[in-house]
Amino acid sequence: AQSVTQLDSQVPVFEEAPVELRCNYSSSVSVYLFWYVQYPNQGLQLLLKYLSGSTLVKGINGFEAEFNKSQTSFHLRKPSVHISDTAEYFCVSTHGSSNTGKLIFGQGTTLQVKP
Amino acid sequence: DAMVIQNPRYQVTQFGKPVTLSCSQTLNHNVMYWYQQKSSQAPKLLFHYYDKDFNNEADTPDNFQSRRPNTSFCFLDIRSPGLGDAAMYLCATSRAGDDYEQYFGPGTRLTVT
Repeated sequence: AQSVTQLDSQVPVFEEAPVELRCNYSSSVSVYLFWYVQYPNQGLQLLLKYLSGSTLVKGINGFEAEFNKSQTSFHLRKPSVHISDTAEYFCVSTHGSSNTGKLIFGQGTTLQVKP
Repeated sequence: DAMVIQNPRYQVTQFGKPVTLSCSQTLNHNVMYWYQQKSSQAPKLLFHYYDKDFNNEADTPDNFQSRRPNTSFCFLDIRSPGLGDAAMYLCATSRAGDDYEQYFGPGTRLTVT
């Protein structure tokens, strides 16, 4: 069965420091991977996605992620965070076996950026 | 801008009193989803519509129903809300056969008193 594991439930970091949010997935079929961000009392917004091709994916707000098939990982990185990056981050997978692509969510990682 | 709209953003209902949450979209996507998200948890899929075809998740309680009268609108009906149904309800859309990206609305926070 397909699953997603986010290895850290909370990540505290100081402003302007780099950050990495870790995500591992398991799937027996080709997988598509996403990172979504959720600000307090808001819906989810797509940061970036990996479907195929280049394993380094660049997204919005300066975030990037690297798809690593051998390690089954899709870690999210940002070289310098801002206070406004404080939010919940979800690593999400789906597979291409159906047209509707049911999403499999990780547990979420709370990024807390301190001044 | 094309978007997913949810109304109301905050809804308070009484225990056992039916409530309806609304979602509309201007993206012309053929798939619409309803998720329940409780505090500090990931969203949980309740059901989705692929065009007019309704697809219920196996563990979605019968208390939750949905209607999709046309492409643009989808409703979530909670027939007899319990205290455990207090949550954020998220609507999302996608284009079937596309890149599987789902577009989320801002959510409706439901309080049950």
